[in-house]
Amino acid sequence: GAVVSQHPSRVICKSGTSVKIECRSLDFQATTMFWYRQFPKQSLMLMATSNEGSKATYEQGVEKDKFLINHASLTLSTLTVTSAHPEDSSFYICSARVIEKLFFGSGTQLSVL
Amino acid sequence: DQQVKQNSPSLSVQEGRISILNCDYTNSMFDYFLWYKKYPAEGPTFLISISSIKDKNEDGRFTVFLNKSAKHLSLHIVPSQPGDSAVYFCAASVVGSGNTGKLIFGQGTTLQVKP
Repeated sequence: GAVVSQHPSRVICKSGTSVKIECRSLDFQATTMFWYRQFPKQSLMLMATSNEGSKATYEQGVEKDKFLINHASLTLSTLTVTSAHPEDSSFYICSARVIEKLFFGSGTQLSVL
Repeated sequence: DQQVKQNSPSLSVQEGRISILNCDYTNSMFDYFLWYKKYPAEGPTFLISISSIKDKNEDGRFTVFLNKSAKHLSLHIVPSQPGDSAVYFCAASVVGSGNTGKLIFGQGTTLQVKP
């Protein structure tokens, strides 16, 4: 299947700092990528849809100024968690769509102290 | 409103036996369903999918059944192996509407296969 690479896999940061997470499609071009978040023992929740060359579409309740998404090329989307707080600690996962299937990155465990 | 529900948070089966994971949905517009397997601290891995025009799809040890009238799908794993122990998520989407195919996930079921 398609390969989606996500980096870093784990990050620990201080409250108030910003963290950037990268998501790359390695063997295909992705005009659309999706960012999900998973809290412990809960389902994966879609945060936003990242569109190459245009603004991201955010789900209801997700702050676009806090979770900045940039999709500048067909193989790279980035999620920046700005001014992170402990409640932002979560597992963040990106994905890219190939036909009807989504292929996921390996995820980023963010811990905000 | 939970549109996709996996009511069993956990399931334990013996190696070699059948594992049956269940999933219910409420949105009749869903026309494509997928199962993903997830290990801790990793991203989900695609397992098997089914379109709403079918009622069964089989791939090796994995079979997905869809009952549209009951809005219910299930994943059968037979024979179950210890390496199948993971969290299984069902997901649904409305591909036919032409949207970008974003998925709605269930809460997940943790499968433990005992040797």
